[in-house]
Amino acid sequence: SQKIEQNSEALNIQEGKTATLTCNYTNYSPAYLQWYRQDPGRGPVFLLLIRENEKEKRKERLKVTFDTTLKQSLFHITASQPADSATYLCALGPYGGATNKLIFGTGTLLAVQP
Amino acid sequence: EPEVTQTPSHQVTQMGQEVILRCVPISNHLYFYWYRQILGQKVEFLVSFYNNEISEKSEIFDDQFSVERPDGSNFTLKIRSTKLEDSAMYFCASSEARSYEQYFGPGTRLTVT
Repeated sequence: SQKIEQNSEALNIQEGKTATLTCNYTNYSPAYLQWYRQDPGRGPVFLLLIRENEKEKRKERLKVTFDTTLKQSLFHITASQPADSATYLCALGPYGGATNKLIFGTGTLLAVQP
Repeated sequence: EPEVTQTPSHQVTQMGQEVILRCVPISNHLYFYWYRQILGQKVEFLVSFYNNEISEKSEIFDDQFSVERPDGSNFTLKIRSTKLEDSAMYFCASSEARSYEQYFGPGTRLTVT
């Protein structure tokens, strides 16, 4: 079955710096890879989606890369702010077919220090 | 901005009891999902629903679970006989037919005692 690994340790950075989070997966590549933000006790919030034929996607201060050869995605937050502190989830899917099931990683806790 | 809503926010029930968790997906969405998250663990897929039928379900979604779209707006998850290990946060999500990002509700925290 698909296994997804994200930085298991919390990531602590200073305000203004760039945060880089890693998502590695095994087995077959999905057609899409997504990143979500989750605050304590809340539901995941969609941030970015990247397709297998896209190398990079940007949205404001966020950037995602997707390397299907390395089976890896990198998620960058530039000019980080304390308000960016949250858990960031990598999700694989959909794979195609009739459903849009997502397979989530365990997430990386990001703490941005003022 | 449209959002997914869920009720109740917290449900406490005794082992063996039936519970129904309710969701109102975003109105123009066609795909609906239930996920769960046990405290400190990852978000896990339970079931997806499209065109008034289950399109996919996980191994977790056994005979004790069922889903229903009783009218044009609500989407429910029923657990017939709750177990202690069903204690978790349950998230409803929905997505449009042609785009693939999913929009999640705030969740229902289910506590089985």
